[in-house]
Amino acid sequence: SFVLTQPPSVSVAPGKTASITCGGNYIGTKSVHWYQQRPGQAPVLVIYYGFDRPSGIPARFSGSKSGNSATLTISRVEAGDEADYYCQVWDTSSDHVVFGGGTKLTVL
Amino acid sequence: EVQLVESGGGLVQPGGSLRLSCSVFGFTFSSYAMHWVRQAPGKGLEYVSAISSNGGSTYYADSVKGRFTMSRDNSKNTLYLQMSSLRAEDTAVYYCVRGLNDFWSGEDYFEYWGQGTLVTVSS
Repeated sequence: SFVLTQPPSVSVAPGKTASITCGGNYIGTKSVHWYQQRPGQAPVLVIYYGFDRPSGIPARFSGSKSGNSATLTISRVEAGDEADYYCQVWDTSSDHVVFGGGTKLTVL
Repeated sequence: EVQLVESGGGLVQPGGSLRLSCSVFGFTFSSYAMHWVRQAPGKGLEYVSAISSNGGSTYYADSVKGRFTMSRDNSKNTLYLQMSSLRAEDTAVYYCVRGLNDFWSGEDYFEYWGQGTLVTVSS
């Protein structure tokens, strides 16, 4: 089955930029979506179709794709950004949703 | 305002059954496919199942196929997940999630989630 690979953890100082990657075969051909999940809460969509932000999501959150990797970038990181982040695509071969393993973002 | 409210979670013995419900508010339930996503304690998100807007089509992950049944009652704006032959590895928070359209597709993303209901399978 299709596998999405994320780093288990990323650490960043407040005010700096965090980059969280999501790797997978031919991911450049797929729509990639990103979710933020704070402890004890449901996931929140932060990026859809690779680049778009839902209303209410700060412009500090952005997405990009290159080759076999997608990236969620959080600029000017704040303490409130500390959370788990998951990427998601649709695996057309098996016709179902696939989530990455998640990345824990720690704000130092 | 879109709201999804899950209920029915609890403690169940291995081999037992449980039915989860998801009541929805703030949108036309009968127009949207619906999904269940689960998360084991301390683990990542796992896609479980989907149902089309009219209930005519369903999808199940291999891990639950043959044991879980998803259904919906559009007259009651309620989604269900009937779980049977439960195993310890089914222990998780189960989230009810709204789809984008009346059927699932490769472009789907999940903007609306419930708060989740915890299912614990243990003797």
